[in-house]
Amino acid sequence: DAKTTQPPSMDCAEGRAANLPCNHSTISGNEYVYWYRQIHSQGPQYIIHGLKNNETNEMASLIITEDRKSSTLILPHATLRDTAVYYCGRSYSGGYQKVTFGTGTKLQVIP
Amino acid sequence: NAGAMQNPRHLVRRRGQEARLRCSPMKGHSHVYWYRQLPEEGLKFMVYLQKENIIDESGMPKERFSAEFPKEGPSILRIQQVVRGDSAAYFCASSLRTEQETQYFGPGTRLLVL
Repeated sequence: DAKTTQPPSMDCAEGRAANLPCNHSTISGNEYVYWYRQIHSQGPQYIIHGLKNNETNEMASLIITEDRKSSTLILPHATLRDTAVYYCGRSYSGGYQKVTFGTGTKLQVIP
Repeated sequence: NAGAMQNPRHLVRRRGQEARLRCSPMKGHSHVYWYRQLPEEGLKFMVYLQKENIIDESGMPKERFSAEFPKEGPSILRIQQVVRGDSAAYFCASSLRTEQETQYFGPGTRLLVL
């Protein structure tokens, strides 16, 4: 079973950058890396995705290592509203997005 | 946040009953995905449907579970003869197109089997 692994929890001070790691050492060349987050009792929310290159959008940056075996999600200035469970996943790129999620990192942003 | 709509939000069933979970995709979206989240676990893909077609059901248990997305109306995830192990949060997501399109998740249906 292909797996992604993430630390179960992390703390981050408000206003600082939050760096969330993900290991996907068995990722295939045609699989994308996806990040979603889930705020308590809500549905998951898309954050960002990438294949090989680093990506940035209005929410976050995604850094993928050259060998693609791991990635880091960066929230540049964490706020209290960023407290959530962050899921790293991988998706087959062959025509539709079928995401296999890891177990998630519970990020607690501290005032 | 904008996303698919799901109902009911909470569903309680006794063992052996049937559970029907509904998902209305966002306007204009014709692709629907269902995921299951067991307590204290991450999301697991179950099935991907387009209108009137099941494209990928590789994550769906072979027995008691079925899904449909008719030409008219919402997508339905049906669980027959529910057991306690079916207790979970079931999320659907919709997308506009296929290739690496963002999925917009609904708020989920929390199924509790007594």
